[in-house]
Amino acid sequence: EADIYQTPRYLVIGTGKKITLECSQTMGHDKMYWYQQDPGMELHLIHYSYGVNSTEKGDLSSESTVSRIRTEHFPLTLESARPSHTSQYLCASKREGNYGYTFGSGTRLTVV
Amino acid sequence: KNEVEQSPQNLTAQEGEFITINCSYSVGISALHWLQQHPGGGIVSLFMLSSGKKKHGRLIATINIQEKHSSLHITASHPRDSAVYICAVNNDMRFGAGTRLTVKP
Repeated sequence: EADIYQTPRYLVIGTGKKITLECSQTMGHDKMYWYQQDPGMELHLIHYSYGVNSTEKGDLSSESTVSRIRTEHFPLTLESARPSHTSQYLCASKREGNYGYTFGSGTRLTVV
Repeated sequence: KNEVEQSPQNLTAQEGEFITINCSYSVGISALHWLQQHPGGGIVSLFMLSSGKKKHGRLIATINIQEKHSSLHITASHPRDSAVYICAVNNDMRFGAGTRLTVKP
């Protein structure tokens, strides 16, 4: 049973719309991450957070924002969706220290 | 040049074969992770290594810190092992491009 939840699972949206992808985890992990992955390609870090009120930009962050008001919740917002945002978005979390990562099932976003 | 290099990029094996996937990195690391991604996109964490060797079932992961190299081995491979195997390093998870493994019955 998943301890990290992403919604929606699939989303088709028009160009210019504002969208928020949700990610919640019930494990009390301090560290949370957002990744973007195009089909058959490697993952790229978009944003990460090491705890409440902490957010950092990754490699592909310039067109999105995140917030971390609560430990369990790390939403990703695209202010104005574009077709180039069409991709899979994966959320992950991790406990402090040398522990493994837990990934969500992902959101497949299509911008038309 | 990517900080994390994996080889091979694609690998096809017959059921039962011993498989090795390699990962080399160019940065200092605190930990290296091996991940498995199945068709459909879900990612599972297989191993986290900072030294030595770890074993879980038919999977074995090794790391050589001095040589900046890690290997993932699969013994007695099975078609259900078919997936993309991804190497990643450090807390902000710099990823390799992945190795796509196909095991044929």
